[in-house]
Amino acid sequence: GAGVSQTPSNKVTEKGKYVELRCDPISGHTALYWYRQSLGQGPEFLIYFQGTGAADDSGLPNDRFFAVRPEGSVSTLKIQRTERGDSAVYLCASSLGASGRSGTDTQYFGPGTRLTVL
Amino acid sequence: GNSVTQMEGPVTLSEEAFLTINCTYTATGYPSLFWYVQYPGEGLQLLLKATKADDKGSNKGFEATYRKETTSFHLEKGSVQVSDSAVYFCALNAGNMLTFGGGTRLMVKP
Repeated sequence: GAGVSQTPSNKVTEKGKYVELRCDPISGHTALYWYRQSLGQGPEFLIYFQGTGAADDSGLPNDRFFAVRPEGSVSTLKIQRTERGDSAVYLCASSLGASGRSGTDTQYFGPGTRLTVL
Repeated sequence: GNSVTQMEGPVTLSEEAFLTINCTYTATGYPSLFWYVQYPGEGLQLLLKATKADDKGSNKGFEATYRKETTSFHLEKGSVQVSDSAVYFCALNAGNMLTFGGGTRLMVKP
């Protein structure tokens, strides 16, 4: 079946611009996650959705970052006034979200969007 | 807070050699533990997982055992192949988010 998809695969923008990154999770997965991976490092958590609501946004670095999931499926990560330090690969993952112990759920990752801020 | 420490790479081995990649963790509560792999040009894939102490996860000849007493989840494979060349990430989940280690690059030479 179809996995997690992310668009665009690459995005180059100029400092100060606004960008939107899209994630299509696996059909039927109620949980959706965004991570950010800088070069040579492991992914770092940004935000987690259960259904339409952001259940945990503690990883968002500042108020320039915002994410939505209005219908409980597709999610968009929005970055305002981009800075060079925002350059990274942004990863989306989804999981069933049905386990009583959500920490045991397997998260399935998309291919990522490589964001470059010039 | 939660954290994962894994051995730095790159790890370079000859084909059919034995592989160990060390991973230790710090966590509150009772986390689940994961190994993810990132092949060149591809996204992160789950390799194996263990959800409670003494569980052994295994897949594709790789194994890791959840050791609560040593807070470790070392990855092992008895005989590596060139196709195993990739970056390996150890991770834990104590709630909803994954906390990753920094990754270990494995290079297997024929």
